Amino acid sequence: DTGVSQNPRHKITKRGQNVTFRCDPISEHNRLYWYRQTLGQGPEFLTYFQNEAQLEKSRLLSDRFSAERPKGSFSTLEIQRTEQGDSAMYLCASSTGQSNQPQHFGDGTRLSIL
Amino acid sequence: GNSVTQMEGPVTLSEEAFLTINCTYTATGYPSLFWYVQYPGEGLQLLLKATKADDKGSNKGFEATYRKETTSFHLEKGSVQVSDSAVYFCALTPYSGAGSYQLTFGKGTKLSVIP
Repeated sequence: DTGVSQNPRHKITKRGQNVTFRCDPISEHNRLYWYRQTLGQGPEFLTYFQNEAQLEKSRLLSDRFSAERPKGSFSTLEIQRTEQGDSAMYLCASSTGQSNQPQHFGDGTRLSIL
Repeated sequence: GNSVTQMEGPVTLSEEAFLTINCTYTATGYPSLFWYVQYPGEGLQLLLKATKADDKGSNKGFEATYRKETTSFHLEKGSVQVSDSAVYFCALTPYSGAGSYQLTFGKGTKLSVIP
C-alpha cells in the first residue's frame, strides 16, 4: 500500500493560465474523489469516479473544471482560465467499492494564482 | 442537505489534559461518521469511524460514539500529548441507499497541546 499520490505538490501560475493535476489512487481502489480545501475550512467535494465513470459532480465544479479517469486508474483535474478564487489545496482520495469504507487522502496539490 | 457542525477552535490544552471536541450532524437516515486528522504540512488521515448507531470508533487513545438520538459524534481522549497537536475534522457520508459517497466535512478544530 503506497498510498494516494498527487502531483505536483505545489503549483504557482498566472491568472488565466490552464493547470492540470494528477492523482494516483491506491492500486486496488476503484473509487476516486476530488475535493478542494481553502484556508481555515474543511474540504469540499468536487467530483467522484467509480472506475472510469464520473458519477457525481458538485455545483462547485464550474465549466472551467474538468476531471477524467480514462482507464479507471489515475485521474487528472484540469482548471482552464484560472481565477484568483481557484487558489486552494486540491485533494484526491480513493476507496474500495464496499459500502462504508473510508476514503484515503493524498497530500494534496496547493495551487496559487498570481 | 447534509451538514456537519463542530466546535470552533483553536483549542489549547496542557499535556495530559482531557480532550473533547464536539461534533453534531444533519443528515437523512443513518450516515457513516468519521474523524480525520491533519498534522502540520501533511494530508488528511483517517483517525476513526463509526457506521451505525451506538458504534464506538477508537484509535490511538481517541474515541467517539455514534449517538443517533442527539445526532452527535464527539471526539474524546483521556490524556493528550504534544504530538496530538493538529487540526481535527468531523465528517459524514450519506446512508448507503443514497447513492452518494461524498464526504461532508466540518470546518475543523485546531488543537495545540503545550508541554
